Amino acid sequence: DTGVSQNPRHKITKRGQNVTFRCDPISEHNRLYWYRQTLGQGPEFLTYFQNEAQLEKSRLLSDRFSAERPKGSFSTLEIQRTEQGDSAMYLCASSAIPRGTGELFFGEGSRLTVL
Amino acid sequence: QKEVEQNSGPLSVPEGAIASLNCTYSDRGSQSFFWYRQYSGKSPELIMFIYSNGDKEDGRFTAQLNKASQYVSLLIRDSQPSDSATYLCAVKHAGGTSYGKLTFGQGTILTVHP
Repeated sequence: DTGVSQNPRHKITKRGQNVTFRCDPISEHNRLYWYRQTLGQGPEFLTYFQNEAQLEKSRLLSDRFSAERPKGSFSTLEIQRTEQGDSAMYLCASSAIPRGTGELFFGEGSRLTVL
Repeated sequence: QKEVEQNSGPLSVPEGAIASLNCTYSDRGSQSFFWYRQYSGKSPELIMFIYSNGDKEDGRFTAQLNKASQYVSLLIRDSQPSDSATYLCAVKHAGGTSYGKLTFGQGTILTVHP
C-alpha cells in the first residue's frame, strides 16, 4: 500500500503528558500537511511542509505544538503538556505541488483523547 | 466571515432524489475547488475538483462553479443510502506561502433515506 500512513491510530493520554504522532506520506509527494478535526467541524489547517521546509504554521497553533520533517520524508507532530481541548482527530495529508491537481491525499488519522 | 462556508445541515433527501450542497468562499484569488466525502470515523476522500466556471460532471456527481458569485456547489443525482456522509468543500489558495494549501468548510451532513 502506497497511501498516507499515520500512527498511532488512537492515543489516550492524561492531561499534561506529551504525545507524538507520525505520518508517512505518499513517497513521491513533496508536500505534507497536518490538519486537526473535531466533531462536527471540517479539517482545520495546522501546518505544512514542502520537502523538509516548514512553510506555514497556523496562527491559532499553540507553541505547545511542534512539527518536523527532517529528511523531507516522514513527519512528526508533537504536542507538549496536553490539554483536554487538544482532543481531536489529527489528519495528515500529502500532495504533489506544482504537479497534479493539488488534491490532498489523507491518511486515516490519529485520534487523540486527553483525559 | 469564514473563508469557506457551507450550507448548514443536516440535509435529508429520499433515495433517488437530487441532493444539492452549497459552498461560498471569501478569497477571490482562489482558483481550484474540491469536494471531499467523509464517512463517519473515516478520513476525507476526494469526489471531484473544479477550476473553470460552469459545470463539471462525473457520473452521478456534478460540480458547479461561479467565480463571480464566489460560489461552488455539488449536485448528487439519484441519491443512494451509500451517499450518506459529510461533504466537505475545500478551496485551494493561489499564491504566497499558502499556495496549494486547502481550506475546508465545516461540512454538510447528508442523509439519504430509503
